[in-house]
Amino acid sequence: GAGVSQTPSNKVTEKGKYVELRCDPISGHTALYWYRQSLGQGPEFLIYFQGTGAADDSGLPNDRFFAVRPEGSVSTLKIQRTERGDSAVYLCASRAKRGTGELFFGEGSRLTVL
Amino acid sequence: GEDVEQSLFLSVREGDSSVINCTYTDSSSTYLYWYKQEPGAGLQLLTYIFSNMDMKQDQRLTVLLNKKDKHLSLRIADTQTGDSAIYFCAEIPRGSTLGRLYFGRGTQLTVWP
Repeated sequence: GAGVSQTPSNKVTEKGKYVELRCDPISGHTALYWYRQSLGQGPEFLIYFQGTGAADDSGLPNDRFFAVRPEGSVSTLKIQRTERGDSAVYLCASRAKRGTGELFFGEGSRLTVL
Repeated sequence: GEDVEQSLFLSVREGDSSVINCTYTDSSSTYLYWYKQEPGAGLQLLTYIFSNMDMKQDQRLTVLLNKKDKHLSLRIADTQTGDSAIYFCAEIPRGSTLGRLYFGRGTQLTVWP
């Protein structure tokens, strides 16, 4: 696609529920990143994929968070047993293998846990 | 942990210059970035500077880098109402994963007509 696409744009769920957030990167971009932006804060790194594998997942806050990218394109961020503190905007970005190294961000998925 | 500092708010009148300041943490950071975020939109890369440069100019944007003081600034000349947004400073410390950015909290720029 023309840009990074994220769905859903908004998700409201109840505490304890399971949530999946999807990211469709720019076609041909091999690197994919997930960031989380809490209200009034800058984005914080969660995980980085190079191809299908997670090259750096050290930003995931705990084992309730998991992400996959099975075919090296679309990625899904999965959050189990959601907590109110998980409420944030989850941003996805992709990067071309060559070029300036610029990250292209999607518009984000706003997650609200009631 | 990394802690990039920015002032939270800046207000200017249309046509004036804006200067947004940032203090970063790692004097060995190889890349420093300025991102813009408009309401309901994703982050947009405005400009970046390599650590071996002191200044970079791109149309209305001027980036100044003071490595000794770990200080980065973004100057927007002839600021327009369309420049109203949140501006984030970000660094990639030496040894960090490529693309793993450490962001400040952002500076909300308001431009008055």
